[in-house]
Amino acid sequence: QSVVTQPPSASGTPGQRVTISCSGGSSNIGSKTVNWYRQLPGTAPELLIYNNYQRPSGVPDRFSGSKSGTSASLAISGLRSEDEADYYCASWDDSLSGMVFGGGTQLTVL
Amino acid sequence: EVRLVESGGGLVQPGGSLRLSCEVSGFTFSDYYIDWVRRAPGKGLEWIGRSRNRARGHSTDYAASVKGRFTVLRDDSRNSLYLQMNSLKIEDSAMYYCARTDVSIVKDLDYWGQGTLVTVSS
Repeated sequence: QSVVTQPPSASGTPGQRVTISCSGGSSNIGSKTVNWYRQLPGTAPELLIYNNYQRPSGVPDRFSGSKSGTSASLAISGLRSEDEADYYCASWDDSLSGMVFGGGTQLTVL
Repeated sequence: EVRLVESGGGLVQPGGSLRLSCEVSGFTFSDYYIDWVRRAPGKGLEWIGRSRNRARGHSTDYAASVKGRFTVLRDDSRNSLYLQMNSLKIEDSAMYYCARTDVSIVKDLDYWGQGTLVTVSS
């Protein structure tokens, strides 16, 4: 069981706004930055959000991140069919001296 | 253009060894951390190790699941990182990715390779 938890699945209809939560503890999210990654089927993961809320160049502003205490969330607005993918949060954990990923959330666009 | 290219995956028997390579281009390799991440079939992403940059003495960290069995090696002169995997177990079967971390702006895993597949089976 991961020290950082996410819901295993989420869904929404095109145009809708969906939020994916990520919950950790004081040794990771509570004291470190959170990053979000997306993995489309058959491809390598890609960085969506870094440093809690910042978007790399090329990532549309439909994607936004936030953090409060030991939790973080990823919001996707204007949902599109191509957003169907697995989404992961991650943070460094000082107790483990390693990076920890959430278990991943499979997003389905209905 | 930033590129990371993994190689060296394949089929290996339980208890065997394998060395993966990650060759990078398009950035100053010695300035960046490089991480290894894997995804086993039906599972999520798992971080397995990190090599820090020259300024941090190329120090390393490992996940508990591989510590003592896997070693990250780095050759700045060849712009290459290696993952030496010993005492392989069936549960080590996965797609292995290397990814760059820009520690200066806290941008973890900002570029990824395409992955190399490791299958541990008898």
